[in-house]
Amino acid sequence: NAGVTQTPKFQVLKTGQSMTLQCAQDMNHNSMYWYRQDPGMGLRLIYYSASEGTTDKGEVPNGYNVSRLNKREFSLRLESAAPSQTSVYFCASSEWGGTGNEKLFFGSGTQLSVL
Amino acid sequence: SQQGEEDPQALSIQEGENATMNCSYKTSINNLQWYRQNSGRGLVHLILIRSNEREKHSGRLRVTLDTSKKSSSLLITASRAADTASYFCATAAPGAQKLVFGQGTRLTINP
Repeated sequence: NAGVTQTPKFQVLKTGQSMTLQCAQDMNHNSMYWYRQDPGMGLRLIYYSASEGTTDKGEVPNGYNVSRLNKREFSLRLESAAPSQTSVYFCASSEWGGTGNEKLFFGSGTQLSVL
Repeated sequence: SQQGEEDPQALSIQEGENATMNCSYKTSINNLQWYRQNSGRGLVHLILIRSNEREKHSGRLRVTLDTSKKSSSLLITASRAADTASYFCATAAPGAQKLVFGQGTRLTINP
């Protein structure tokens, strides 16, 4: 079982470049999430999608955009990367949709460096 | 802002000993969850305890929840080298659509 798949695993960008992080899940989950993890900060929610066709801002949405392409896929876009966006990005999914009462399944992460 | 705060930030023990990690939170919750993260990997769900539960077990894991003190503890008994990881608590407030994670406890099991 693949679970939650993120690509790429590593990426180096120059300031001002753009890129899209891809995420797909094969568990037929309704909800999907993007978190970033910084040293000493734990995980912070960037955006989430409670169900196909909906997206909402999380704790740190500035500088990011998301697209829920279909039920399986949820992408995160950096339009103009900044060094402050250097982080490890995790995609996650959950079964029923944004209730906060169910467990999350995580991908293995994307390590992004912005120079 | 972070809802949960783990304590200690780092813990190092000998294999076979028990490891206890604590989590404190600020507002009322529907449930509290614990996750494990091995180095360089994503988080893996360990256990969920609801606000009306006081204790829950899963294998060598024991989780307690004290809503009056707004705190939870995770006990790992008879630790193994494979338990070396970071452990995070995550909370969901009533009506909230998302989990909020703490900063984690980094556990090292020495052989």
